[in-house]
Amino acid sequence: DTEVTQTPKHLVMGMTNKKSLKCEQHMGHRAMYWYKQKAKKPPELMFVYSYEKLSINESVPSRFSPECPNSSLLNLHLHALQPEDSALYLCASSQGQGEYEQYFGPGTRLTVT
Amino acid sequence: GESVGLHLPTLSVQEGDNSIINCAYSNSASDYFIWYKQESGKGPQFIIDIRSNMDKRQGQRVTVLLNKTVKHLSLQIAATQPGDSAVYFCAENTGNQFYFGTGTSLTVIP
Repeated sequence: DTEVTQTPKHLVMGMTNKKSLKCEQHMGHRAMYWYKQKAKKPPELMFVYSYEKLSINESVPSRFSPECPNSSLLNLHLHALQPEDSALYLCASSQGQGEYEQYFGPGTRLTVT
Repeated sequence: GESVGLHLPTLSVQEGDNSIINCAYSNSASDYFIWYKQESGKGPQFIIDIRSNMDKRQGQRVTVLLNKTVKHLSLQIAATQPGDSAVYFCAENTGNQFYFGTGTSLTVIP
């Protein structure tokens, strides 16, 4: 199984809502990532978890809160988002952090109204 | 962040021709590079990688060339097919994280 799954595929939320994005992999990977991608732009790294511990936070606003409940799951909790947060949110995993191929999920298309 | 850029934002090629997508990187300490393909509505898909101790690596119909002297990376696709139409990103690994280039949109003309 070389698949990273993400749910939901699409999400529309208001600025006062609280929602969560979910990501799952069963490849035994120990590093997991959240990226944000705006239209026609490259993915931008948000967070990195290595061995279930937050390793990198790329100065992401606190309205985005990551969580890694176990080695297979990665969540991104959303609260009080702004319309400019609308984007494709990609999850990825790799064998370890560093010089390893990253496997990406299909992404969650988020729209903040 | 690091500067990883592509020379051409769009590229159109005839089906059956070879495609070359270029990428410039700025950090000479980068030691691992990946090319990704991203189709519309999908996440990036790994194509091929190369480490800094190599200057060429071949896969199925794809070749990556690395020129460390001028900090340049290229992806060559042989006999380009309609299914190759996508956005292609290069990514460099520095300090345990990847930085993505701006992307090149490849369109294959039947």
